Amino acid sequence: GQQVMQIPQYQHVQEGEDFTTYCNSSTTLSNIQWYKQRPGGHPVFLIQLVKSGEVKKQKRLTFQFGEAKKNSSLHITATQTTDVGTYFCAGLEGNNRLAFGKGNQVVVIP
Amino acid sequence: GAVVSQHPSRVICKSGTSVKIECRSLDFQATTMFWYRQFPKQSLMLMATSNEGSKATYEQGVEKDKFLINHASLTLSTLTVTSAHPEDSSFYICSYLLTDRDTQYFGPGTRLTVL
Repeated sequence: GQQVMQIPQYQHVQEGEDFTTYCNSSTTLSNIQWYKQRPGGHPVFLIQLVKSGEVKKQKRLTFQFGEAKKNSSLHITATQTTDVGTYFCAGLEGNNRLAFGKGNQVVVIP
Repeated sequence: GAVVSQHPSRVICKSGTSVKIECRSLDFQATTMFWYRQFPKQSLMLMATSNEGSKATYEQGVEKDKFLINHASLTLSTLTVTSAHPEDSSFYICSYLLTDRDTQYFGPGTRLTVL
């Protein structure tokens, strides 16, 4: 099956600064999805990227899908305390299963 | 839309007992759903894929006789952890697949603690 790797696993970010989290797959992905899990909560769907080179924005969040459809990134600007949580990327496998990365746990320093 | 509920949210049980977890889609119907397990500070591990009216497909290493899945309707699925042991303590999360969007909507999770 697919192997989806995320780097870094942990980030401490000063409030107001920007940060990026990366996702890499061992195989070409049909699509990639991003989820956010707050501490003690459950994963919440953020976005899905399908096309090669696709870029989507949600307010302060910018999602990018690589040209080869094997990597993706999430960039957050002007970090707020509400951005705390773990960001997971997941690659869609052929039988509708999602292969999740290990996640990037983000701690925001006020 | 796409709200998923789980019940109970937390359960503490004695070793050897069985625990049933319900997963409901509240405002939509879906054929395919998934059960995940998440240990502290780790990623979601898929346990099984279930299609309504069919037997679930379990991932390698997940015992189907220990984790019984019943998916009798388009809005309700249950996971029963039989003869639970302390190593089964975990966060169990269900999700439903919305095929028109290829996305999954997750329930709030059930935290199981086996003493």
